[in-house]
Amino acid sequence: EVQLVESGGGLVQPGGSLRLSCAASGFTFDDYAMHWVRQSPGKGLEWVSSISWNSGNIEYADSVKGRFTISRDNAKNSLFMQMHSLRAEDTALYYCAKDTGISVAGTRGTLDYWGQGTLVTVSS
Amino acid sequence: SSELTQDPAVSVALGQTVRITCQGDSLRSYYGSWYQQKPGQAPVLVIYGKNSRPSGIPDRFSGSSSGNTASLTITGAQAEDEADYYCLSRDSSGYHYVFGGGTTVTVL
Repeated sequence: EVQLVESGGGLVQPGGSLRLSCAASGFTFDDYAMHWVRQSPGKGLEWVSSISWNSGNIEYADSVKGRFTISRDNAKNSLFMQMHSLRAEDTALYYCAKDTGISVAGTRGTLDYWGQGTLVTVSS
Repeated sequence: SSELTQDPAVSVALGQTVRITCQGDSLRSYYGSWYQQKPGQAPVLVIYGKNSRPSGIPDRFSGSSSGNTASLTITGAQAEDEADYYCLSRDSSGYHYVFGGGTTVTVL
């Protein structure tokens, strides 16, 4: 059974940093691209970042580029998101999601499994 | 603002058919995928590619695409289909993924 379990969320002050983790199990982690998607309270889904199977292709939404860094450790079946310079508008539930493919470059994105999310609240 | 445009809300009578659309220039080059999200739950993939369903998704869900518009059709809507539905594809630059704004489906 595929499982994605996010952790690392919490309350942080504006300008602060946080590192999210996603522990994957039930599939061959290094065979698939992975994504972070967020959802602000009461709002729609927003794509945040994606990483290919070997970290060779990485993409970011303009809203987080330069502040967030996605990474993965295939040996530990884990996906990460390092977040710096956090803003109030980054407050959201952050989901980790698995792609059906290996790459992110030029692909349409098909996210077949999602975690339950970890909540990030940026507030003073 | 999203580069994939969805109607904010639609309603359908129980057992009837509803079509949800997603419009965007990128859909001329990329198929979209569709996600169902119920309150308090993570999104679930319901349609991907030309018209493929993951295992476990009822066959009353189908997808189609024409020009710049992708569509998700629920044929014989059930009460449990009441949810928010989002499309996903590339933006017009092709360098970013983008979700549509979402459509809330109410089953009457």
